[in-house]
Amino acid sequence: QVQLQESGPGLVKPSETLSLTCAVSGYSISSGYYWGWIRQPPGKGLEWIGSIYHSGSTYYNPSLKSRVTISVDTSKNQFSLKLSSVTAADTAVYYCARLCSSSWYAPCYWGQGTLVTVSS
Amino acid sequence: NFMLTQPHSVSESPGKTVTISCTRSSGSIASNYVQWYQQRPGSSPTTVIYEDNQRPSGVPDRFSGSIDSSSNSASLTISGLKTEDEADYYCQSYDSSNWVFGGGTKLTVL
Repeated sequence: QVQLQESGPGLVKPSETLSLTCAVSGYSISSGYYWGWIRQPPGKGLEWIGSIYHSGSTYYNPSLKSRVTISVDTSKNQFSLKLSSVTAADTAVYYCARLCSSSWYAPCYWGQGTLVTVSS
Repeated sequence: NFMLTQPHSVSESPGKTVTISCTRSSGSIASNYVQWYQQRPGSSPTTVIYEDNQRPSGVPDRFSGSIDSSSNSASLTISGLKTEDEADYYCQSYDSSNWVFGGGTKLTVL
């Protein structure tokens, strides 16, 4: 059974870059599937950030595209998120996920999430 | 872009069947697959339906999904309700470049 675990700083200052890593166990990223990041501001709904294929091809949310970079490291079996120029509006629980079948649009397995607060 | 509209809340008794709707504002509901997620309080979401009606492994067959082109909506049906089904449920679809989530429905099992 695939398992995903997010890690990274829980507090980021405004204007700085948020960096998170998702460690994958129980499945080799290089074997296939898309992998994604989704976030949820406290008390609010879900927002997709982006998806990456094991080969490195990406899809990004157009509203975040200018600030987002998602990358994959198959040697460490993990993928990462960088979000630049953060503001308080980026405070959220960030989830990583493995997507279903060959889709870039449907997560099947989710991490437990990590809260990132943007504050000085 | 389009929107997905869900009822804010629904409630039903244990053992009964409940259906949660998700209406697409523009474009055909059949154009892009619909997914459904369950989120219990304090927990991460879990996928209960993907690609309109597919269940990930481990999801009980009490959960089923469908689409209705006449109402341009998708539905999640949960039969044999259990108290553990009490949660927020989100629908989600996509277009050529973005995912779209519904606002979520709070299911109360009382």
